Parts: sequence; C-alpha cells; structure tokens
Amino acid sequence: GNSVTQMEGPVTLSEEAFLTINCTYTATGYPSLFWYVQYPGEGLQLLLKATKADDKGSNKGFEATYRKETTSFHLEKGSVQVSDSAVYFCALSPNSGGSNYKLTFGKGTLLTVNP
Amino acid sequence: DGGITQSPKYLFRKEGQNVTLSCEQNLNHDAMYWYRQDPGQGLRLIYYSQIVNDFQKGDIAEGYSVSREKKESFPLTVTSAQKNPTAFYLCASSIGATDTQYFGPGTRLTVL
Repeated sequence: GNSVTQMEGPVTLSEEAFLTINCTYTATGYPSLFWYVQYPGEGLQLLLKATKADDKGSNKGFEATYRKETTSFHLEKGSVQVSDSAVYFCALSPNSGGSNYKLTFGKGTLLTVNP
Repeated sequence: DGGITQSPKYLFRKEGQNVTLSCEQNLNHDAMYWYRQDPGQGLRLIYYSQIVNDFQKGDIAEGYSVSREKKESFPLTVTSAQKNPTAFYLCASSIGATDTQYFGPGTRLTVL
C-alpha cells in the first residue's frame, strides 16, 4: 500500500535559519505530492503541491521538488520566521482511477521558530 | 467567500450519547471527506463521498455514520459504538475524487 514517512520532530530553529523537513514516500505509479500546514487549533491549509516528477511546488517562500528517483518531496525554506511555527504534513494522492484516490498522510512535523 | 465550515468548534458529550458534527461547503465540490486526527498522528480517513447520495467507508469507519443528501453538506455522526471518540475531526472537500483536498477548521470532540 501507499505510505509517507517524514522526519520526526519537534524541530526548533532560530528566526532566519534554513529549514528542511524530509519526506519520502512509497506508492505505485505516479502520485501527486502535497505539503499541508496546520497552525495551532486550526484545520489544514494546502501549502504547496507537485503532480509529476521534477515539478517544484512553491508558496510563501517554501519549496519542494518531486524526486521520483529518490521517492522524496523534502520541504525547504531559506529563512524561517516565528509565524512559520506550525505542524507540517506531507501527503500523497494516487493518480490512478477508481476509488483508490485517498490521501495518505505522514505523521506531521512540529516546527517551532524562536525569535 | 467560498470555503468549508465546521460547527461547533468544540463539542462535549457524555459517554454513551451519539453526536453529530456538521460540515458545509460552498465551493461546489463533488467530493467530501471526514478525517480523524489524534495527537502525534497523521490524519486517518473515516468516510468519503464522491457524489450526492453515495459514500464509502474509509480506514476507520467503525462507530461512525454519515449521510450525503445535499452536495454542500456531509454530516458525521459519532455513535456510542465508537470506543475512543475524543479527537480532532476534520472535514475536507475536493472538486473531484482525484483533485486537491481543502480542509475546514475542524471540530474538537471531547467525551466526558
């Protein structure tokens, strides 16, 4: 079956530090890949996505590149801010037809950015 | 503004009672989903619906029930058969089954 593994947290950084959150996946075919962010007490917000190999998703200074050869979709940001403190989820969705389309999530990585 | 609303934000119930969580969307999406989130875990799919009057069980459907009588509404009932119902419940929707899912703000259910 499909699975997503992301680095365990918590991750604690100082403001303006470089961020990497690793995500690797197992899936058949060519899934779509997502990063969602969850701020305290809220639902999930789509941060970025990529639908095919070598695509780069980007939003709000965050980037992730779909690497099929390493089955990875690592999240990066060059300079984090205190407001980036949240839980980050990596997820995949198979692009095959039928009912096998559900999102598979990683367990989430808590990021805390200190001033 | 288009979006997904869930109500209430916090819900308390006594053990042995059924409770219904509301999810409404005005995005004109065909597909809707319910997820459960527990501390330190990813999201787990409870039920999903690809179209009105049709829904399927997800990975953890036992103790839950849903209905999809209208395109914009997908209520979730947590029954007394659910052994550990205290959790954060998230509703999502997408244009179609294979499209990007967008989430509501969630309902935190606590069983006393």
